[in-house]
Amino acid sequence: AQKITQTQPGMFVQEKEAVTLDCTYDTSDPSYGLFWYKQPSSGEMIFLIYQGSYDQQNATEGRYSLNFQKARKSANLVISASQLGDSAMYFCAMRGFQKLVFGTGTRLLVSP
Amino acid sequence: DGGITQSPKYLFRKEGQNVTLSCEQNLNHDAMYWYRQDPGQGLRLIYYSQIVNDFQKGDIAEGYSVSREKKESFPLTVTSAQKNPTAFYLCASSIQQGISGTDTQYFGPGTRLTVL
Repeated sequence: AQKITQTQPGMFVQEKEAVTLDCTYDTSDPSYGLFWYKQPSSGEMIFLIYQGSYDQQNATEGRYSLNFQKARKSANLVISASQLGDSAMYFCAMRGFQKLVFGTGTRLLVSP
Repeated sequence: DGGITQSPKYLFRKEGQNVTLSCEQNLNHDAMYWYRQDPGQGLRLIYYSQIVNDFQKGDIAEGYSVSREKKESFPLTVTSAQKNPTAFYLCASSIQQGISGTDTQYFGPGTRLTVL
């Protein structure tokens, strides 16, 4: 079975600073995909970034980057230059067989 | 603009009533999904459909039903058999269902269901 663990229920960061949100995973599949989603207070899940298990380089999308350490089974999200609009819940997810498996999320609060 | 729409945004139901949540997408995606989110938790899969006229149960299908008569539409019915239906429901779609890990799912805005 696949499992995602997010151990940080909440994180605080000041505007313009970088922040790392932790995600560890467990799977026995040799091929898998890891996703990060942002959920603002409105509720919609917004896709941020994807990392494939065979990708040689860490994924980047604008201010988002994924620190993928396969041996440690971690896929941490790094947000650079935080903005007030980054305040939201962040979910790490893994592509399982025909579904996404989600972690419990981390609430990020960005202060001025 | 392409996207996924869900309606209504808020829904109130009396105990014993069935209600249907709407999900429509114009992304030309083959696969569609329904998830349930409870406070402080991640999402759990209710049902998914890889193709028109075909769907499969997810992890928590009891008390729910779906149909997939059109590619664009995947309505979810919450029946009176669902013991604790109050939750946030999210619909998603992806280009295709398969073993590829690159099959990104895109979500609609959600429907918040409250049982009175």
